[in-house]
Amino acid sequence: GIQVEQSPPDLILQEGANSTLRCNFSDSVNNLQWFHQNPWGQLINLFYIPSGTKQNGRLSATTVATERYSLLYISSSQTTDSGVYFCAVVGDADGLTFGKGTHLIIQP
Amino acid sequence: GAVVSQHPSWVICKSGTSVKIECRSLDFQATTMFWYRQFPKQSLMLMATSNEGSKATYEQGVEKDKFLINHASLTLSTLTVTSAHPEDSSFYICSAQRPGQGYEQYFGPGTRLTVT
Repeated sequence: GIQVEQSPPDLILQEGANSTLRCNFSDSVNNLQWFHQNPWGQLINLFYIPSGTKQNGRLSATTVATERYSLLYISSSQTTDSGVYFCAVVGDADGLTFGKGTHLIIQP
Repeated sequence: GAVVSQHPSWVICKSGTSVKIECRSLDFQATTMFWYRQFPKQSLMLMATSNEGSKATYEQGVEKDKFLINHASLTLSTLTVTSAHPEDSSFYICSAQRPGQGYEQYFGPGTRLTVT
């Protein structure tokens, strides 16, 4: 099946810093989504981005499908941005294959 | 739009009993729903794909007789963990795919199951 690798696994930043999270995938995809999992376990949809670039406030994402990677940018980080960020893709099957996540800690 | 609910949010049960978890799409009809499992500090793993009116498709290694899935309507899928054991303790999360919206999935808040 399709493989999804996220980097870095852990990231500690000061409030106000910018960050880039990366997601590499091993095959062509029909769907790519970025999520933020909050402390209660809820997955918050950040982007549905099988290709192209999108922006939502301080967050933006770019997927280069031909090169099989996606990037999530967080600018001017806030402590509330802390948590685990997951990249997930749909290959041939319908269900999502998740990466292992990036654990982001924003320190005040 | 695209709200998915789960019930219960947490449940504690004794070994050998069965537990049913409900997943509902509140503001759209979902022909396809999915069930995922997450162990502490790990990623989510797809367990099964649930299609309305047909049998669920289980991922390799997931026991279909232990994890019974029913998708009886366009807004409801249920997961029943039968004869639960402590190793079934986990966080179970469902998602729904809204027709006509590509492959984007919307997730419920999850159900934390503890088997004693």
